[in-house]
Amino acid sequence: GEEVAQTPKHLVRGEGQKAKLYCAPIKGHSYVFWYQQVLKNEFKFLISFQNENVFDETGMPKERFSAKCLPNSPCSLEIQATKLEDSAVYFCASSQFGQGNQPQHFGDGTRLSIL
Amino acid sequence: KQEVTQIPAALSVPEGENLVLNCSFTDSAIYNLQWFRQDPGKGLTSLLLIQSSQREQTSGRLNASLDKSSGRSTLYIAASQPGDSATYLCAVEGRANTGFQKLVFGTGTRLLVSP
Repeated sequence: GEEVAQTPKHLVRGEGQKAKLYCAPIKGHSYVFWYQQVLKNEFKFLISFQNENVFDETGMPKERFSAKCLPNSPCSLEIQATKLEDSAVYFCASSQFGQGNQPQHFGDGTRLSIL
Repeated sequence: KQEVTQIPAALSVPEGENLVLNCSFTDSAIYNLQWFRQDPGKGLTSLLLIQSSQREQTSGRLNASLDKSSGRSTLYIAASQPGDSATYLCAVEGRANTGFQKLVFGTGTRLLVSP
């Protein structure tokens, strides 16, 4: 598609439950990024992929967070044993090439609420 | 570690005014700088991308400048309109051997343009 599609728009989970978020990048884009927006404008990089390969995962809390981008499937971000502090909006972005002249295109985000 | 700061945090102007949003970053070794717009409940819309070798970019009523040596960028909005009301974020992409890095975001400027 022509837009980055994220599902669901809103996800509510009880503390300790699992949460799984999905992202379909723009067709033809090889790079996918996940960001977490906790407070109003505080964006934190989580992980990036080049096709199905993890490129940079320095932002991922590895104990509970995992992500995949498999061929012919939406990318996913999964949080095990969720905590209250995981409440945030999770954004996915994609870009065509891994070069500095290509903007990242963002989806509308998934709002995760942990109760 | 790269840090990005935006001033002011909020700005309220009457329709028709020209305005300037400021962004500063601590590490000048960047690949590019991007300005985004975020509407409430939405993702980020890429406005302008300035590569590290460029000094400015223009799109319609928007003009962004980059002074890499001083670690500053400005976004100039001419003849502001109520539809320009949104949060504006700047983000820098750092250099890497592979030419591709995560974005580091500023905290944003919340703009309100009154009719």
